[in-house]
Amino acid sequence: AQRVTQPEKLLSVFKGAPVELKCNYSYSGSPELFWYVQYSRQRLQLLLRHISRESIKGFTADLNKGETSFHLKKPFAQEEDSAMYYCALSDETPYTGANSKLTFGKGITLSVRP
Amino acid sequence: NAGVTQTPKFRVLKTGQSMTLLCAQDMNHEYMYWYRQDPGMGLRLIHYSVGEGTTAKGEVPDGYNVSRLKKQNFLLGLESAAPSQTSVYFCASSSPAQGADTQYFGPGTRLTVL
Repeated sequence: AQRVTQPEKLLSVFKGAPVELKCNYSYSGSPELFWYVQYSRQRLQLLLRHISRESIKGFTADLNKGETSFHLKKPFAQEEDSAMYYCALSDETPYTGANSKLTFGKGITLSVRP
Repeated sequence: NAGVTQTPKFRVLKTGQSMTLLCAQDMNHEYMYWYRQDPGMGLRLIHYSVGEGTTAKGEVPDGYNVSRLKKQNFLLGLESAAPSQTSVYFCASSSPAQGADTQYFGPGTRLTVL
């Protein structure tokens, strides 16, 4: 069964400090991984997906199949980055439109202090 | 375009009472999902639907039933509420045409069972 592990519940950093939110997964197939974010009083929303290889709001995440990890990183944290972050894994084969369910990790709260 | 809406936003039930949570989406999405969010547990999938008239069990389906009579609506029912069902419930929808793993979430329903 697929599993997503976010080993930390809370990360507190000062503004301008680097951030790394850890995510490890177990999946027998070819993984499709995502980071979702939930800002205070807002809906959960997609932040980025590994297949896009994009940087969103300064965040990047690299899929490391050898270490089965998909850590989210940002070199300089901002106060507006404070939120709950969820790592998620999909069992969909990319772009085929097959049935898709997401397995979420337990989430991590990022707190960026001024 | 309201996206995904949920009714009600808050509810307090007594043990044994029943209720139905309504999720509606106006994006013509084929897939719809119900999750519960609990502290330290992340998001867990309760039930999901890949089309009108079809539903399937997720990770934590016990004590819940669902129906998808119309494409735009996905109902979550609690037949006999229990304190363990106190949670925040999120509905989401997605479309295989847009990448089914990009899920759009509703604002959530906070349910307390006394």
